[in-house]
Amino acid sequence: EAQVTQNPRYLITVTGKKLTVTCSQNMNHEYMSWYRQDPGLGLRQIYYSMNVEVTDKGDVPEGYKVSRKEKRNFPLILESPSPNQTSLYFCASSLERVASPLHFGNGTRLTVT
Amino acid sequence: GESVGLHLPTLSVQEGDNSIINCAYSNSASDYFIWYKQESGKGPQFIIDIRSNMDKRQGQRVTVLLNKTVKHLSLQIAATQPGDSAVYFCALKDSGNTPLVFGKGTRLSVIA
Repeated sequence: EAQVTQNPRYLITVTGKKLTVTCSQNMNHEYMSWYRQDPGLGLRQIYYSMNVEVTDKGDVPEGYKVSRKEKRNFPLILESPSPNQTSLYFCASSLERVASPLHFGNGTRLTVT
Repeated sequence: GESVGLHLPTLSVQEGDNSIINCAYSNSASDYFIWYKQESGKGPQFIIDIRSNMDKRQGQRVTVLLNKTVKHLSLQIAATQPGDSAVYFCALKDSGNTPLVFGKGTRLSVIA
């Protein structure tokens, strides 16, 4: 089944403790992206990747890192999480960035205390 | 930059009726438009898309209408069912290498 898989689904951590949220897609998509979703603010892009070893900042990149060593994987790294990063995170992929629909994972709900 | 608005944050419809969800946008260079459905606890799910060279596109029980003159996009759901209850987002972008811009969403509630 074609899908975007994120792990974990739920994560509770403390301020400053490094964490990684994994994302994997099995559709051979070139483009991958991370979003956060907050009430009243909608979906905001954190980082995106046009292809392997090519990453770029989205609208809200501060406090996050990503890497794209392989086409299928696009992990999101929080080196020193803070409470304002408590949010619902979605990974997404598409065949290309220009005009193809994004396919989303089922989300990771992160709480930073 | 893009601004994407929604006419109604919530919409309640009777089961079996048709639903219409609207989206207004400001950038006349917008070229590609998508509707997503997000159910509770899940990620946004692609419903239907349309390019700016079209003004209507139909899927299974869904129709997207694009009026470029007034910069308005709508999603019509025929014979709305309880399983259609969700938040619906429009998203759009221009023809360049720019990201999708998402609307805030409309919550559709279907009354049985």
